[in-house]
Amino acid sequence: DIQMTQSPSSLSASVGDRVTITCRASQSISRYLNWYQQKPGKAPKLLIFAASTLQSGVPSRFSGSGSGTDFTLTISSLQPEDFATYYCQQSYNTPRGFTFGPGTKVDIK
Amino acid sequence: EVQLVESGGVVVQPGDSLRLSCAASGFTFDDYGMHWVRQAPGQGLEWVSLISWDGRSTYYADSVKGRFTISRDTSKDSLYLQMNNLRAEDTGLYFCAKDNNSGESSGYYGFDYWGQGTLVTVSS
Repeated sequence: DIQMTQSPSSLSASVGDRVTITCRASQSISRYLNWYQQKPGKAPKLLIFAASTLQSGVPSRFSGSGSGTDFTLTISSLQPEDFATYYCQQSYNTPRGFTFGPGTKVDIK
Repeated sequence: EVQLVESGGVVVQPGDSLRLSCAASGFTFDDYGMHWVRQAPGQGLEWVSLISWDGRSTYYADSVKGRFTISRDTSKDSLYLQMNNLRAEDTGLYFCAKDNNSGESSGYYGFDYWGQGTLVTVSS
């Protein structure tokens, strides 16, 4: 099974900060990596798929990069509505598994 | 507008059975694979199951294999999850989610629409 890890598990940042979250897979997953944002009490929202493709309607301050085992999600200038938990997800194993990372909580400094 | 509305979550005892439903609208239901994803209280996301766009193929997480059955009814634009022999560790919020890509390539590009979830509690 492919295991996913994220770092950090949480971070505190201020509005306007540049934020980077890292996701690592236990084996190469090519570019089959997706990122989601989840706010308390809400469903997850797809931000980026295939490592770097921005989902329609997602602000351009979000970007993704990486391939193989190491990936990053970057928020170029953190906005108040961006405080949330972010999850990565591998889809390399489709259709037999779609493992999520443990999440990174971004809160207000 | 795409909408996914789950229902059926209740409090049950260990060993009980339960069927969750997800009513879909705003897209051509027959064209997309559909997923169930769950989230235990205060925890992360766990993929549970996938059914292909045509309903012919189903896939399950190891944690639910043999106990849960995913199905779909194209005449009702609805997705279902039959949950048998429920355990305490099945407790959580169950989301249905739409595949981001139509046809055969289920799941490669993530899940683009999610319902609000329905809460299942397994407790004696």
